[in-house]
Amino acid sequence: DQQVKQNSPSLSVQEGRISILNCDYTNSMFDYFLWYKKYPAEGPTFLISISSIKDKNEDGRFTVFLNKSAKHLSLHIVPSQPGDSAVYFCAASARISDSWGKLQFGAGTQVVVTP
Amino acid sequence: SAVISQKPSRDICQRGTSLTIQCQVDSQVTMMFWYRQQPGQSLTLIATANQGSEATYESGFVIDKFPISRPNLTFSTLTVSNMSPEDSSIYLCSVDRATDTQYFGPGTRLTVL
Repeated sequence: DQQVKQNSPSLSVQEGRISILNCDYTNSMFDYFLWYKKYPAEGPTFLISISSIKDKNEDGRFTVFLNKSAKHLSLHIVPSQPGDSAVYFCAASARISDSWGKLQFGAGTQVVVTP
Repeated sequence: SAVISQKPSRDICQRGTSLTIQCQVDSQVTMMFWYRQQPGQSLTLIATANQGSEATYESGFVIDKFPISRPNLTFSTLTVSNMSPEDSSIYLCSVDRATDTQYFGPGTRLTVL
C-alpha cells in the first residue's frame, strides 16, 4: 500500500511566485520526512528535511511545514525560479520502528516554472 | 553530501540475461541502498547493503533475482538476474552519511527487450 501520497502529479507556477507541494502519509510511525528534487536522467537531489519534533524547517527559498495531526507536510518554494522545474518527491522514514534507512517515497509532483 | 557514480548509466539488454550495476562512493560509508524506479512509479527500496554482512532485502525482492555485493566501504554492485521486460527501470544506489539523509547516485536506466 502507498503510505506516502502526493496527490498532485503536476504543478505549474509563474516565475517569482510561490510553489506549494503537498504530501500526505498514513503511517503514524514516520518520524522523519525529506524532500528530493529530480531532473531527468539524474538521481534525486536532497533538498530539505524535517523531524517530527518540529513543525517547520527553513533553508533559503525552501520551507517545509509538518502537521502531524493531519499527517500532512508541504514544501514551499519562494520565489520560484525556472531552474526549479523538476519532479519533487516526498519521502518518509520510521527510524524508531523500521529498518534504518528505509525511505518510503511518494509518486512525485512535476513542477513547471513558467517565465 | 557525497559524490556517487554508477556504471553503466544505461543499457539495453535481452530477456533472460543478467546485468551488474556498479556503485562507487567518494568516501567510506556504512550503509548503501539500492532502489528501483519503474516507469511512471515512485522509488522503491530493493535492499540495504552493509559491508561485511548479507544484504537485507525488502518484501517482494529476493537475493536470487537481485544479488548484491558490498566488498568494501566505498563500493557495491547490484545484479539484475534473468531479466524480463518487467525489470525495465531506473536503478539507483544511495548512501547514508549518518546525518539522517540519503544521497543518491545518478541512476542506471535499464531497458529489457
